[in-house]
Amino acid sequence: GAVVSQHPSWVICKSGTSVKIECRSLDFQATTMFWYRQFPKQSLMLMATSNEGSKATYEQGVEKDKFLINHASLTLSTLTVTSAHPEDSSFYICSARPAGLNTGELFFGEGSRLTVL
Amino acid sequence: AQSVTQPDIHITVSEGASLELRCNYSYGATPYLFWYVQSPGQGLQLLLKYFSGDTLVQGIKGFEAEFKRSQSSFNLRKPSVHWSDAAEYFCAPVKQTNFGNEKLTFGTGTRLTIIP
Repeated sequence: GAVVSQHPSWVICKSGTSVKIECRSLDFQATTMFWYRQFPKQSLMLMATSNEGSKATYEQGVEKDKFLINHASLTLSTLTVTSAHPEDSSFYICSARPAGLNTGELFFGEGSRLTVL
Repeated sequence: AQSVTQPDIHITVSEGASLELRCNYSYGATPYLFWYVQSPGQGLQLLLKYFSGDTLVQGIKGFEAEFKRSQSSFNLRKPSVHWSDAAEYFCAPVKQTNFGNEKLTFGTGTRLTIIP
């Protein structure tokens, strides 16, 4: 149980285009999802907290107009990197917390590697 | 301010040797504590977790961790490592609340290399 799936697992795009990454909880409902960014050989940096039916909460320094987050249902959150540039190339990981679980535990997707040419 | 520290950036051990990865946290109250493992190019897998009670917790793959309140530590251990344990390990505390929406903060990670 508690499986989180991300799609696509990798994507290559041209500079200036937009890319959407999906994060789905397959066997549970998630009122809260988190999006992380990870640079090579570094830790995970929290970008934003996504709550179903409301606006995402972005961490300091993360451009909300650049990284659009939508959490329209209890099983799906999407991250759209708008007008992507080479510096946006990174590994993006989503995580989800099952509704009603107050222990802080998160379940992670497999990650999506974005390369912007 | 809340923080988590993993002092060892990179550790190399021989296969079959014992392992201890350090984690220290600074929170106002005892947080929930997690250890996650990440293989190259993969997402994160939960190894073990501490909420309350017994301070020695057992996890998957033969790992265990001991919570020491006096030292604000939650070190990860394994008696005998296997080559497949080579990965990045992250300690992650989260503030205890009744709402379940607290964010998980990750340590800088410890990269484990296993030599034959």
